[in-house]
Amino acid sequence: GAVVSQHPSRVICKSGTSVKIECRSLDFQATTMFWYRQFPKQSLMLMATSNEGSKATYEQGVEKDKFLINHASLTLSTLTVTSAHPEDSSFYICSAAGTRAYNEQFFGPGTRLTVL
Amino acid sequence: AQSVSQHNHHVILSEAASLELGCNYSYGGTVNLFWYVQYPGQHLQLLLKYFSGDPLVKGIKGFEAEFIKSKFSFNLRKPSVQWSDTAEYFCAVNERTGTASKLTFGTGTRLQVTL
Repeated sequence: GAVVSQHPSRVICKSGTSVKIECRSLDFQATTMFWYRQFPKQSLMLMATSNEGSKATYEQGVEKDKFLINHASLTLSTLTVTSAHPEDSSFYICSAAGTRAYNEQFFGPGTRLTVL
Repeated sequence: AQSVSQHNHHVILSEAASLELGCNYSYGGTVNLFWYVQYPGQHLQLLLKYFSGDPLVKGIKGFEAEFIKSKFSFNLRKPSVQWSDTAEYFCAVNERTGTASKLTFGTGTRLQVTL
């Protein structure tokens, strides 16, 4: 199956700093990438959808200036959490869909962000 | 807007018991349907999916699901669960379009299998 990686897998940062999370499709071209957030023992909530080369579409209630998404190539999307606060601590998961099968999303392993 | 309901939030079963987890969705158009599993401390894995064709789909690890269009349901089943099936199970739906569309997840069902 298609492989999606995320880096880093875990990150701890101080309040007020910015953190960048990378999502890569390793063996296929991802025309669309999705970013989700998962709180402990809860479901995945879609944050935004990004298409390669265009601006991301954010879900209602998600601050686009706080969660910056860049999808500059067909294999890489990044999520930057700017001026992170403890309430941003969460599990961030990306998925990718594209030329291999647009109907199905392939998920990355997630990034655990802890803001102190 | 799409929504997905999973009625069972926490299910406890003994090994070898049969499993059925409910999933209902609301959407008027054509959809793709998925079940994902998340083992403790691990990432999401696809159990099975339905795009079209035979409404009874078989997935990995002995799981199957049946799409009943008239009931807007896609229930997950397994005839005999194992302790290793202890995990969180998510039903998800997306709209079938010509491009990738966003997934809507249910709230999840925590399955606990006891020995």
